[in-house]
Amino acid sequence: EIVMTQSAATLSFSLGERATLSCRAAETVGSNVAWYQQKPGQAPRLLIYSASTRATGIPARFSGSGSGTEFTLIISSLQSEDSAVYYCQQYDRWPALTFGGGTRVEIK
Amino acid sequence: EVQLVQSGAEVKKPGQSLRISCQGSGYSFSNYWINWVRQMPGRGLEWMGDIDPSDSYTNYSPSFRGHVTFSVDKTVNTAYLRWSSLEASDTAMYYCARKLVIPREQHNAFDIWGQGTMVIVS
Repeated sequence: EIVMTQSAATLSFSLGERATLSCRAAETVGSNVAWYQQKPGQAPRLLIYSASTRATGIPARFSGSGSGTEFTLIISSLQSEDSAVYYCQQYDRWPALTFGGGTRVEIK
Repeated sequence: EVQLVQSGAEVKKPGQSLRISCQGSGYSFSNYWINWVRQMPGRGLEWMGDIDPSDSYTNYSPSFRGHVTFSVDKTVNTAYLRWSSLEASDTAMYYCARKLVIPREQHNAFDIWGQGTMVIVS
C-alpha cells in the first residue's frame, strides 16, 4: 500500500494567516489525492479531490495543489471555524486507498 | 437532502457478533459505492473497503479481510458492516461514506459521510 505522510502533526496559525499543509506520497499517485477536514465529534468532510478541485460548497479560501508525490492544502485566510484535523488521501491505487496521519490546525 | 444515517452506538463483549448499518437517502442508492472507514480512539482514518450496492461486489483492505463482512440490502437502501467475533481492538468509530461520482471521471474520494457508529468491545 502507498504510505501518505503528513509530517506536521500540529500547526498553529493566527486568524487571517495563510495556512499551508503538506502531504507526501511514498510513490507517485498522479493527481488522485483528496483532502478532508474533521472537527471534534464530527465525521470528515470532503474539501478537495483530484488534488486541486474544490468539492461542492467548500469556501474558496481552501485550495489544493500538487501532483506525483507532493501535495499541499492551503487555507488562504484562516478563520476560527477552520480549527480541525486535516487528512490527505490517495485513491490512485484503488482498491488500496490510504490516508495520511492527519495534521491538526490550531488557532493561536 | 442526500445523507447517510448510521445505526447507534454498540457495547459488546469479545467474541460476540455485531452488524451495524448505514442507510442512504435522497439519492439513487444503487449508483454509488459505499465505503467503510475505521477511526480508533484518538487516531486517524483507515479505509476498510468498499461495496457496490448494485451487485454487492466488495473490496477489502488486507488489514480487514477475513475479519469483517460488507453487505447491502437495496430494498431498504442500506449497507451493513458485520463482525462474527469481535475483539477488544475493534473498539472504534466506524463511518460509512459514499464514493464521489463525476460523469466520465473516476474519483475514489468520499463526498457524503454517515455520522459514525461507535463500537466498544469490552
